[in-house]
Amino acid sequence: AQKVTQAQTEISVVEKEDVTLDCVYETRDTTYYLFWYKQPPSGELVFLIRRNSFDEQNEISGRYSWNFQKSTSSFNFTITASQVVDSAVYFCALIRTDKLIFGTGTRLQVFP
Amino acid sequence: KAGVTQTPRYLIKTRGQQVTLSCSPISGHRSVSWYQQTPGQGLQFLFEYFSETQRNKGNFPGRFSGRQFSNSRSEMNVSTLELGDSALYLCASSLVVGSYGYTFGSGTRLTVV
Repeated sequence: AQKVTQAQTEISVVEKEDVTLDCVYETRDTTYYLFWYKQPPSGELVFLIRRNSFDEQNEISGRYSWNFQKSTSSFNFTITASQVVDSAVYFCALIRTDKLIFGTGTRLQVFP
Repeated sequence: KAGVTQTPRYLIKTRGQQVTLSCSPISGHRSVSWYQQTPGQGLQFLFEYFSETQRNKGNFPGRFSGRQFSNSRSEMNVSTLELGDSALYLCASSLVVGSYGYTFGSGTRLTVV
């Protein structure tokens, strides 16, 4: 079965702390894509990253970084020096026959 | 360029009524997908349209339907509304099927009373 698990329901940090959001996936496909989306209170899902299963290189984009490990079926997301504007719900997702399968999301609250 | 536009933003309907939600994709995008988001079930895929044809459908009852027009705009319809249909309905557009470059709209929040 295709499944995405985000075990952390809610994380609270103080501004400037680093925080890692965990994502574990299950798939029988040999080729697949993984995504991270951010959902601020406005409701829109904001695309953060897409990674295909052939590319295990870690990626860094500003304060954001992603650690993809096929051996543990994980695609973790780290925010360095968190800011209040990072407060949102973050979703990890897997693509399966052109439809996104989402995890349950992790609510991140960053306090000043 | 303009993003994905969903109208209306908020909607309140009575049980048993029907509702139509609209989604205008990014200009040039031909694929439109719909998702339902509820606190209990999370984000779930409803259906996908490409070139006016439904390509993919999620596990929802027949009360949920949709269509896509020649200009790629899409509508979804829910008939005989139930309280459990209260949700945020999100639309996503992508250039073509399989490009996986999904851009989401801000959603329509439907409340059924």
